[in-house]
Amino acid sequence: GAVVSQHPSRVICKSGTSVKIECRSLDFQATTMFWYRQFPKQSLMLMATSNEGSKATYEQGVEKDKFLINHASLTLSTLTVTSAHPEDSSFYICSASTLSNEQFFGPGTRLTVL
Amino acid sequence: DAKTTQPTSMDCAEGRAANLPCNHSTISGNEYVYWYRQIHSQGPQYIIHGLKNNETNEMASLIITEDRKSSTLILPHATLRDTAVYYCIVRVGYNNNDMRFGAGTRLTVKP
Repeated sequence: GAVVSQHPSRVICKSGTSVKIECRSLDFQATTMFWYRQFPKQSLMLMATSNEGSKATYEQGVEKDKFLINHASLTLSTLTVTSAHPEDSSFYICSASTLSNEQFFGPGTRLTVL
Repeated sequence: DAKTTQPTSMDCAEGRAANLPCNHSTISGNEYVYWYRQIHSQGPQYIIHGLKNNETNEMASLIITEDRKSSTLILPHATLRDTAVYYCIVRVGYNNNDMRFGAGTRLTVKP
């Protein structure tokens, strides 16, 4: 299957700082990428849908000014958590859709805000 | 609203078949049934998907009832490495629609 990478795999930051997470489709072009968040012992929750060259669509309850998404190319989407606080600590996972509508997930990024 | 219903947890003996059920009674005609699994602290891994016919690949088999209101994922010879949370998802198979995850089934394969 297609490969999706995320960087970094783990990040620890101080409260109030911003953190950028990258999601790359390594061997295919992805016009659509998705960002999910997963708290301990819970399921994945969709945060936003990102289309290349256009503004992301955010799910209800997700602050677009806090979670900035940029999808500038067909192989890269970034999620920036601005002014991070301890409650933003979570496992962030991206996925990318192929032209045949298959969806592949990245390995996830563990964010810890102190 | 949850579109699928799965048991919270299941156990299976190593080497035996694991049969994971999923109810999707409100499935639409253009929605596929997808199965993913998530091993602890990793991203979800695609297993299999189908529309109405039974499907088989190197990982598993997917049995969909004739009325499409339920399905069963079969891992024919479960190993300890198959211990994971298994998610059944219904999704329109075009337009790059998102995947909506329910609670899934926590499968524990025991020696």
